[in-house]
Amino acid sequence: SQQGEEDPQALSIQEGENATMNCSYKTSINNLQWYRQNSGRGLVHLILIRSNEREKHSGRLRVTLDTSKKSSSLLITASRAADTASYFCATDLYSTLTFGKGTMLLVSP
Amino acid sequence: DAMVIQNPRYQVTQFGKPVTLSCSQTLNHNVMYWYQQKSSQAPKLLFHYYDKDFNNEADTPDNFQSRRPNTSFCFLDIRSPGLGDAAMYLCATSRAENTEAFFGQGTRLTVV
Repeated sequence: SQQGEEDPQALSIQEGENATMNCSYKTSINNLQWYRQNSGRGLVHLILIRSNEREKHSGRLRVTLDTSKKSSSLLITASRAADTASYFCATDLYSTLTFGKGTMLLVSP
Repeated sequence: DAMVIQNPRYQVTQFGKPVTLSCSQTLNHNVMYWYQQKSSQAPKLLFHYYDKDFNNEADTPDNFQSRRPNTSFCFLDIRSPGLGDAAMYLCATSRAENTEAFFGQGTRLTVV
């Protein structure tokens, strides 16, 4: 299985702090994607990083990818209470998008 | 504007009674996915269509079937729902390989 594994499983921080989540996977990928899910809702795409990229930014999000270590990290800077959600990494190979177990982020005001 | 629409949002079905969940998209995407997500777990891919080509995951039970009559619609049929099939079912689409996926809001299935 190429399922990603997120670390930590849960993260609790204060508003304004940075949040870092890590993802490891097992096999080759075309790209790695990060998604956000609010409780009981669908997933929302955050950012996609291709296998030949090492770092990508989008607003307060920064994603890194290390294909030699088969790992990725998602950094959310200056967190807000509205960032409270579950965050999943997903590996993409031949149109098969496989999700990791997710990190539950709680940002307290 | 909703782009991936799942109906219904909540579905209650009886043990063993066939149930169909539906998904429609306005994006004209080639790929449509069905995922099962149980509480506090990762979404698990059941199957996906690339255009009309059906791709079943190896560990998807035979109890789960899918139909894609045209580009816009995709259905998930559960032939004989068991209590263990209670979950959120998520439909997603993507334009092609190597692109982001767009998810619907999901259908929460309860089996009684």
